[in-house]
Amino acid sequence: DGGITQSPKYLFRKEGQNVTLSCEQNLNHDAMYWYRQDPGQGLRLIYYSQIVNDFQKGDIAEGYSVSREKKESFPLTVTSAQKNPTAFYLCASSIRQKDSNQPQHFGDGTRLSIL
Amino acid sequence: AQKVTQAQTEISVVEKEDVTLDCVYETRDTTYYLFWYKQPPSGELVFLIRRNSFDEQNEISGRYSWNFQKSTSSFNFTITASQVVDSAVYFCALSPYSSYKLIFGSGTRLLVRP
Repeated sequence: DGGITQSPKYLFRKEGQNVTLSCEQNLNHDAMYWYRQDPGQGLRLIYYSQIVNDFQKGDIAEGYSVSREKKESFPLTVTSAQKNPTAFYLCASSIRQKDSNQPQHFGDGTRLSIL
Repeated sequence: AQKVTQAQTEISVVEKEDVTLDCVYETRDTTYYLFWYKQPPSGELVFLIRRNSFDEQNEISGRYSWNFQKSTSSFNFTITASQVVDSAVYFCALSPYSSYKLIFGSGTRLLVRP
């Protein structure tokens, strides 16, 4: 079945440690996104990528980094510079179609906590 | 500024009741898209509907219906004859024209009791 796979489902980070969240999609979508969700709040955009080898900062990119070496994959690294990383992280993808804001399709999410 | 407001933090209804989730948005763009997503307890967001700003026709899909009114900048979502499986957090989102960004509201948690 086509879809978006995020792993791991739960992740724990120690102080000063970088951790990487995986996101893989087999929907043949060009665009991919990372969002952060805090309790009782909506989603906030961290980074997005419209094509391979290109990505842009979203609204809360500080303390995060991404890469887009393959169309299917868009990993997110939470660096030690992110002082409050505890949150639910959601990856999404969409068709990249000019003049038509296509819906984004989401993975199951990764819940990150600090040890 | 672009913003989405979902003033209802939590709604609780008894099964078979109708329920309306409110969504008010702010944008200066004349062309934009509006979305509704459902987030069940499992966590993933499920796409429900996309509407562009030039299409004010109401839409019905089974027990779900959407009322888009540009005059009041609202895009409300009604569930008719609610079921326990409708329990989830529902998000309304705004996307500026030709942008890949989604601006989310804070969500409304719906609890449908048997």
